[in-house]
Amino acid sequence: DSGVTQTPKHLITATGQRVTLRCSPRSGDLSVYWYQQSLDQGLQFLIQYYNGEERAKGNILERFSAQQFPDLHSELNLSSLELGDSALYFCASSVGGDTYEQYFGPGTRLTVT
Amino acid sequence: GQNIDQPTEMTATEGAIVQINCTYQTSGFNGLFWYQQHAGEAPTFLSYNVLDGLEEKGRFSSFLSRSKGYSYLLLKELQMKDSASYLCAVVLGRLYFGRGTQLTVWP
Repeated sequence: DSGVTQTPKHLITATGQRVTLRCSPRSGDLSVYWYQQSLDQGLQFLIQYYNGEERAKGNILERFSAQQFPDLHSELNLSSLELGDSALYFCASSVGGDTYEQYFGPGTRLTVT
Repeated sequence: GQNIDQPTEMTATEGAIVQINCTYQTSGFNGLFWYQQHAGEAPTFLSYNVLDGLEEKGRFSSFLSRSKGYSYLLLKELQMKDSASYLCAVVLGRLYFGRGTQLTVWP
C-alpha cells in the first residue's frame, strides 16, 4: 500500500459524458501527478500539481482538466468522453515539486461505452 | 516519448537471471527509475540511479551508464511472482516512462 488513494476503482460511462476522478496523496506529499495508461500507449503523463498550483503539463487533452485543493487532494475531470478515453488513470504523489520518486495509487479503470 | 527504448517482451525460467535493458536520449538527463507493474495494478518503485554504476538491492540490481544513455535492471533467482511489466523512467526535466518490458517467468 503506497498511501495514495484513488476513487472510484471502476467507472463505466457513455460517450459524451463527464466524470471526475479523485486522488488523495500520501501524508506529507505536496505534489500530485496524473497519468493515463492504455494498452497501446503505455504510461502517459497528463499533469502535475504542486501545493495547489499547476507545475507541469504533459499530453493532457483540452477536454480534460485537473485541480489540487487546499487539503492537497486532487481531481481529474474528463468531459465529452470518447471510446478512446477508456484506460487506467493513475494518480501519483511525491514530497516536493522536483522530487521524482513517485508513489502510485491503485488507479481508476474507466470504461467508455 | 523521449526515445526511451526497452524490449517489449522477455521470458525466463524460475531460478534464472534476466537482464532488461533501457536506452534513452542523454540530453538533459538527470536520473533513471525502474518500476515494477503487475497487470491492472499500480507501478511500484524498484530503484533510482543518478550516478554511473551498479546499485544492488536484494535480488534486483540496476546499472547506469550516463555517457552511453544506457541502463539495465538485473533480476536474479527469478520467481513466478516476478512476472510483471518493468518500466524504465527517465528524468528529463520531468519523468518520462518507457513502454515497459513484459517479463514472463516459467516454472
